[in-house]
Amino acid sequence: GENVEQHPSTLSVQEGDSAVIKCTYSDSASNYFPWYKQELGKRPQLIIDIRSNVGEKKDQRIAVTLNKTAKHFSLHITETQPEDSAVYFCAVYKGSQGNLIFGKGTKLSVKP
Amino acid sequence: DAGVIQSPRHEVTEMGQEVTLRCKPISGHNSLFWYRQTMMRGLELLIYFNNNVPIDDSGMPEDRFSAKMPNASFSTLKIQPSEPRDSAVYFCASSTQGASFEQFFGPGTRLTVL
Repeated sequence: GENVEQHPSTLSVQEGDSAVIKCTYSDSASNYFPWYKQELGKRPQLIIDIRSNVGEKKDQRIAVTLNKTAKHFSLHITETQPEDSAVYFCAVYKGSQGNLIFGKGTKLSVKP
Repeated sequence: DAGVIQSPRHEVTEMGQEVTLRCKPISGHNSLFWYRQTMMRGLELLIYFNNNVPIDDSGMPEDRFSAKMPNASFSTLKIQPSEPRDSAVYFCASSTQGASFEQFFGPGTRLTVL
């Protein structure tokens, strides 16, 4: 089955710096790669996603890059702000399975 | 739309008792997912349904756990008998398979088994 590894497990940055979280996956048939943000005590919410026919996608301060050959994708947050502090989860979807496989999560702390 | 609705939001029970968690997916969504979240194990998929039919229950930890989806607007996750190690936050999520892969999560049920 699919295996998703996420690194780092914790990340601390100064406000204004950039943050990068990386995920690797094992099944080359996977075709959809979302990122979810979970604030303390709240539900996971989708913040950005990318499909396998695209290499990069941006939405304001966040971007996701996908390297299908190497089977990894990354979340990039620029100009971090304290409200970016949360746990971020990557996930992988394979159409034939119909469900998402989540990484273990990265706790991001942005220090003012 | 009210989003995915879960009840109860908090449940405290004693070991050995039966626990039933409830979920109402977003209207029109045809897939429903039950997840369990703990610090140690992260976000685990327990079971998911497509068009009310269970597709994959390989994540259900043991026979004490069961899930049903009698119709498109309601699902239950039951634990009988409950144990302290079942303490976790249980999320329900729904999506429209084939149209969009995004899963919309409910607010979760925080279960504490004493």
